[in-house]
Amino acid sequence: KQEVTQIPAALSVPEGENLVLNCSFTDSAIYNLQWFRQDPGKGLTSLLLIQSSQREQTSGRLNASLDKSSGRSTLYIAASQPGDSATYLCAVDQAGTALIFGKGTTLSVSS
Amino acid sequence: KAGVTQTPRYLIKTRGQQVTLSCSPISGHRSVSWYQQTPGQGLQFLFEYFSETQRNKGNFPGRFSGRQFSNSRSEMNVSTLELGDSALYLCASTAVGQSYEQYFGPGTRLTVT
Repeated sequence: KQEVTQIPAALSVPEGENLVLNCSFTDSAIYNLQWFRQDPGKGLTSLLLIQSSQREQTSGRLNASLDKSSGRSTLYIAASQPGDSATYLCAVDQAGTALIFGKGTTLSVSS
Repeated sequence: KAGVTQTPRYLIKTRGQQVTLSCSPISGHRSVSWYQQTPGQGLQFLFEYFSETQRNKGNFPGRFSGRQFSNSRSEMNVSTLELGDSALYLCASTAVGQSYEQYFGPGTRLTVT
């Protein structure tokens, strides 16, 4: 049974710092891995999707990597800003449309 | 393009009642998935519909059901509500055959008293 773990559960950094969020999964047979952002009480915003054949994806200050063999993904956020404060969720897709989520990392960026 | 929409946004029901939630996917997306989010269990997959057929189902009791219409809009129904059904219910739409990236709606906050 696939399990997704995100470490740390919470992270506080000062503005401007570069940071890395970690995600690990137990079964490497995945279609893709997706990173999301969730603001309190809101829905999920898709940040990056990495297909199983890819190693990384970049969007602006965000870079996500995928190592299927070790069951790991990282989300790198460069030059963090207070507006980046949110919960970041990692999810793997094994069946084409059924995402299995980690519990998330709650990020707080102070000005 | 308009995003995924969900109605209603908030709902308060009493134990034993039933509830129906609605989701309209992004135009052209034919797959709709439903998820339940609670503080204790996090986000859990309920089921997925494609072309009016349920293709995938998560580990939830039969009280949770859904359907999809020919215009790809989807509804989920929860019968005989329990206190533990209080949650944020999210739906997501996907353009199957492309990247399989899932786009989420704002959710319906269900409170069962």
